[in-house]
Amino acid sequence: QKEVEQNSGPLSVPEGAIASLNCTYSDRGSQSFFWYRQYSGKSPELIMSIYSNGDKEDGRFTAQLNKASQYVSLLIRDSQPSDSATYLCAVDAGGTSYGKLTFGQGTILTVHP
Amino acid sequence: EAGVTQSPTHLIKTRGQQVTLRCSPISGHTSVYWYQQALGLGLQFLLWYDEGEERNRGNFPPRFSGRQFPNYSSELNVNALELEDSALYLCASSLGAVNTREKLFFGSGTQLSVL
Repeated sequence: QKEVEQNSGPLSVPEGAIASLNCTYSDRGSQSFFWYRQYSGKSPELIMSIYSNGDKEDGRFTAQLNKASQYVSLLIRDSQPSDSATYLCAVDAGGTSYGKLTFGQGTILTVHP
Repeated sequence: EAGVTQSPTHLIKTRGQQVTLRCSPISGHTSVYWYQQALGLGLQFLLWYDEGEERNRGNFPPRFSGRQFPNYSSELNVNALELEDSALYLCASSLGAVNTREKLFFGSGTQLSVL
């Protein structure tokens, strides 16, 4: 089982729709969860962090965390073509490896006009 | 404020050669991380340095090594290059360990091609 799993997609949504990205993780000791956006040929850019169960909203982005079910999700409301990118879920390794972030393979999102 | 800076941006080497990649963290950040992003493999954790010490390393052979200097900048060295070392090497920095809720910020990366 992979440590951090994401649907590879591609996920295609129309402009203005809600894009839903999901991620599951295996280490129950993980405490820090991040979403990064990576445009083609560019480096990952941090867009959200979440540490407690529940929802965290920042503009059009909402991160959701459920530690009991070991999943974290990212909702993008009013999706724009500029949101088209690969979204990476990253999870700290908890007690198994201090200081290490484990990344999922990424979900490719395409927002079409 | 400057972000994480890496040099060079691109490198072409041949099998068996050695390479050194450089990274300067965000001012005030003491932790530096190195990740490898090979095509189709996602980001793989290589090394973590904090306060000049190697704190953790990923599942990579010993020919991948590095160091952190007193000014917190860092070098990644790769010896005896192999074709599969071709990848984007990303450096990132944070105020402290990500397990303590510190956020990781990436540089633009060094694209290494091994021929």
